[in-house]
Amino acid sequence: ETGVTQTPRHLVMGMTNKKSLKCEQHLGHNAMYWYKQSAKKPLELMFVYNFKEQTENNSVPSRFSPECPNSSHLFLHLHTLQPEDSALYLCASSQAPTGDQPQHFGDGTRLSIL
Amino acid sequence: EDQVTQSPEALRLQEGESSSLNCSYTVSGLRGLFWYRQDPGKGPEFLFTLYSAGEEKEKERLKATLTKKESFLHITAPKPEDSATYLCAVQATSNTGKLIFGQGTTLQVKP
Repeated sequence: ETGVTQTPRHLVMGMTNKKSLKCEQHLGHNAMYWYKQSAKKPLELMFVYNFKEQTENNSVPSRFSPECPNSSHLFLHLHTLQPEDSALYLCASSQAPTGDQPQHFGDGTRLSIL
Repeated sequence: EDQVTQSPEALRLQEGESSSLNCSYTVSGLRGLFWYRQDPGKGPEFLFTLYSAGEEKEKERLKATLTKKESFLHITAPKPEDSATYLCAVQATSNTGKLIFGQGTTLQVKP
């Protein structure tokens, strides 16, 4: 496989459920990102990881918990979500966060909170 | 505050009718400006990076230009397959990895 792969593509969960989103990149990049894309709003950066270390948390509520075990894998653990958390969650990777190389995106997980 | 504004929000063109999309930005120091294309149900696909005013890049029917305050994405003789949402993003020199996105322009090209 090539590029950035996200699973699952669609997820429906109740407000009390716990679930995880997975992202895997096959580009040999060192930085990985989580973004949230809501209807009619710009993409919002959530977290940045560089060489497995979190370098940015964009004031994200604690009900979102990221995990980066290595430079190729990124998870987003979800618990006690709210209806306003329904959105498309996108993962991206790049060579390094401090450089000017483009970020490459996966196709996202469409999350619906009941 | 760093900010990106894209216009128009939506654009409908006839096949072959050339036009331009605008991306205006305010940033403390520009590290790079990025254009992406996003199809329904897909993630953004990278198109171009522009680094300094006066720079231009081309790919098939698309040409991106950059000034100190804005970028244009020119579409020459568009085809229906160019229909998509086009996103503009900037990376400031003060931020580590943070891309600031505009809301996008949804382009529809009719045959």
